[in-house]
Amino acid sequence: SQKIEQNSEALNIQEGKTATLTCNYTNYSPAYLQWYRQDPGRGPVFLLLIRENEKEKRKERLKVTFDTTLKQSLFHITASQPADSATYLCALPYTGGFKTIFGAGTRLFVKA
Amino acid sequence: DGGITQSPKYLFRKEGQNVTLSCEQNLNHDAMYWYRQDPGQGLRLIYYSQIVNDFQKGDIAEGYSVSREKKESFPLTVTSAQKNPTAFYLCASSDRGLEPLHFGNGTRLTVT
Repeated sequence: SQKIEQNSEALNIQEGKTATLTCNYTNYSPAYLQWYRQDPGRGPVFLLLIRENEKEKRKERLKVTFDTTLKQSLFHITASQPADSATYLCALPYTGGFKTIFGAGTRLFVKA
Repeated sequence: DGGITQSPKYLFRKEGQNVTLSCEQNLNHDAMYWYRQDPGQGLRLIYYSQIVNDFQKGDIAEGYSVSREKKESFPLTVTSAQKNPTAFYLCASSDRGLEPLHFGNGTRLTVT
């Protein structure tokens, strides 16, 4: 079955450094991949979508890569700030379906 | 502002009671979804609806029911048959199916 794995351990980094989060998936080849941000007690908010024919996508301080050979996406936040502290979720479409599957997310803490 | 409204934010019920969670959207989206989120787990899909008067079961539909009588509304009923109903419930919508999801801010249900 389709599966998404994100590092369950929290990531702690110092303000100004680059945070890198990993999303690995198995058992299928998605046409695209999405990243969401979720703050405690709130719903996820869409950040970026990268398609299978795109190796990299950027939005302000965010950068996402998509390696379909490794079945992996990396999510980078450059010049991180305490306000970037949140849980980041990776999401993929179900094969042939009208649905989206989510990873459990990685909690990021940025220290001032 | 356009968005998704979930109410109430917190809900407490006694075991054996049915409870209905509200979800309303003014984004004019065709597709709506219900997810359940438990600590340390990814979002799990309960039900989804692509158009009015039509809906399909997700991965964990047992013990839940939905209706889609209006485009803007997709209420979820948690029945007494749901074994572990205490969770954070998230409603989402999307335009044209697999586009990025817009989430509400969730309802935290506690059943004792």
